[in-house]
Amino acid sequence: KAGVTQTPRYLIKTRGQQVTLSCSPISGHRSVSWYQQTPGQGLQFLFEYFSETQRNKGNFPGRFSGRQFSNSRSEMNVSTLELGDSALYLCASSLEGLAGRTGELFFGEGSRLTVL
Amino acid sequence: AQSVTQLGSHVSVSEGALVLLRCNYSSSVPPYLFWYVQYPNQGLQLLLKYTSAATLVKGINGFEAEFKKSETSFHLTKPSAHMSDAAEYFCAVSVTGFQKLVFGTGTRLLVSP
Repeated sequence: KAGVTQTPRYLIKTRGQQVTLSCSPISGHRSVSWYQQTPGQGLQFLFEYFSETQRNKGNFPGRFSGRQFSNSRSEMNVSTLELGDSALYLCASSLEGLAGRTGELFFGEGSRLTVL
Repeated sequence: AQSVTQLGSHVSVSEGALVLLRCNYSSSVPPYLFWYVQYPNQGLQLLLKYTSAATLVKGINGFEAEFKKSETSFHLTKPSAHMSDAAEYFCAVSVTGFQKLVFGTGTRLLVSP
């Protein structure tokens, strides 16, 4: 069974540009979450999507946005990039069973964004 | 709001020694608690989770953790360290649902021969 796939794995952008990151969840998983990991702030929750709807949102500015498609694949977008946006962006998917959320996030390997 | 404190950004042990990674949480309601491991250039992998069932939780790779409400702790232990255990370990808490986790700052475990 394929794991969570994130593309691209590495990318370099300059300040002011925008970037789109993609995440394909494990087959059958309908919940997709995004986290930002930086040396200074650690792991921070960005947002979570379920059935194409944003269900939870972290404390990030509006420059950070996301969406989920009908096949559960998700994208996140960061506009007007700043140096501080350099980070590893992790996507995670989870399976929601009959009893509710199963409690395990399966993470991808991340997309490492460098902003120059 | 909930939070997690991991004591020690780095912990060094010898191969075969006890591993103890500390995690204290703050939550106004009963929490869900997790330990994740991250190997270099990889995502996070769930080691174990506490969801208000047994207070002693056993996970993968020989790790276990004990939920102690009186001490607001959820320390991770392994009786005998292996070289392959060298990685970064994150404690996380959630009260609103498994998807919205609040992570600690992480502890890097170094294992020497």
